Amino acid sequence: GQNIDQPTEMTATEGAIVQINCTYQTSGFNGLFWYQQHAGEAPTFLSYNVLDGLEEKGRFSSFLSRSKGYSYLLLKELQMKDSASYLCAVRSASGGSYIPTFGRGTSLIVHP
Amino acid sequence: DVKVTQSSRYLVKRTGEKVFLECVQDMDHENMFWYRQDPGLGLRLIYFSYDVKMKEKGDIPEGYSVSREKKERFSLILESASTNQTSMYLCASRTGTGNEKLFFGSGTQLSVL
Repeated sequence: GQNIDQPTEMTATEGAIVQINCTYQTSGFNGLFWYQQHAGEAPTFLSYNVLDGLEEKGRFSSFLSRSKGYSYLLLKELQMKDSASYLCAVRSASGGSYIPTFGRGTSLIVHP
Repeated sequence: DVKVTQSSRYLVKRTGEKVFLECVQDMDHENMFWYRQDPGLGLRLIYFSYDVKMKEKGDIPEGYSVSREKKERFSLILESASTNQTSMYLCASRTGTGNEKLFFGSGTQLSVL
């Protein structure tokens, strides 16, 4: 089985930087995704890491350490619209397919 | 634009009813998924399908079945709805390589009374 942990809720100030952590335990690890989900909407893809290191995409960056079973999503220059739930999903091999398992999500509240 | 369409945004059913949730994607994706999302529990996988007429159980298949007769359509069936199946249901699809992100539908909020 898999175990994925991320904080339930975080708050931050507009313009600041926030780091959302995700730790996981899994066999057959084959990639980690981050999704953003605004209230009442579908999750949308943010980033993907399969090798160790940092992937940067505009204000958002994602980091992976496979040996530590650890990832983080870094959001810079926070905006009010970044208030959302952030979902960490770990992909592992299962019967020949690669099925993503989601953590419980981190609700980020950005205040002025 | 890619699109995953779920037939209903809100649905209210009674205990014991047979419920069909429909999902259609227009991206010619091989893989399709059904998740349910509950507060504090995140997204949990109910069933997935590699391709037409193929299906695999996810983590919580009890009380559900699925149908994939055409590549673009993946249906979730609640044979006899119960109140503990009140939830947000999300359909997703991706290409068959396994290396791709999921595209999600907007979800169906099902209430079973």
